[in-house]
Amino acid sequence: GAVVSQHPSWVICKSGTSVKIECRSLDFQATTMFWYRQFPKQSLMLMATSNEGSKATYEQGVEKDKFLINHASLTLSTLTVTSAHPEDSSFYICSASGDREYNEQFFGPGTRLTVL
Amino acid sequence: GQNIDQPTEMTATEGAIVQINCTYQTSGFNGLFWYQQHAGEAPTFLSYNVLDGLEEKGRFSSFLSRSKGYSYLLLKELQMKDSASYLCAVMDSNYQLIWGAGTKLIIKP
Repeated sequence: GAVVSQHPSWVICKSGTSVKIECRSLDFQATTMFWYRQFPKQSLMLMATSNEGSKATYEQGVEKDKFLINHASLTLSTLTVTSAHPEDSSFYICSASGDREYNEQFFGPGTRLTVL
Repeated sequence: GQNIDQPTEMTATEGAIVQINCTYQTSGFNGLFWYQQHAGEAPTFLSYNVLDGLEEKGRFSSFLSRSKGYSYLLLKELQMKDSASYLCAVMDSNYQLIWGAGTKLIIKP
């Protein structure tokens, strides 16, 4: 199966700082990457979809200036949470899809962000 | 609007069989996915159905009826490690995944 890595696994930061999360597809070329947020005991919430080399498409209600997404290559996408606040504390998960039979999404292990 | 419905929680006994249902209303259909998510972890892919019928993969099977907008995930010979949330997701005409809220499955000895 396809492997997607995510770094860091968890991060604790002070309010007002920025945090960058990396998502890498290790053994396939990810033409599309997705960023999700999941609050405890809730379902996945899609934040944005990004295609390599183009600007990300953000879901309604997600501030693109706060959640900066860069998909510079077919194996790497980054999410930067700018000026983080306690309400941004959540589980952030990336997924990637590419040249696979079912066009399924393969998920990274997630990043747990805690903003103090 | 687009909608995916699945039960919030189910309980089953180790060694038994459980069926998790999913109904959907989406703009277009390009397949239905089932994912498993253990607490605190990311989802993992279980199955994909795009044609009507049953797909079997070991202890797990997934069924689809496009005319009824209905799918189910069947888990046989339940093990304690099967305790997890099971997410149903439909790919719409724009190839976007629409996610259900997930079904939390509790396995009792």
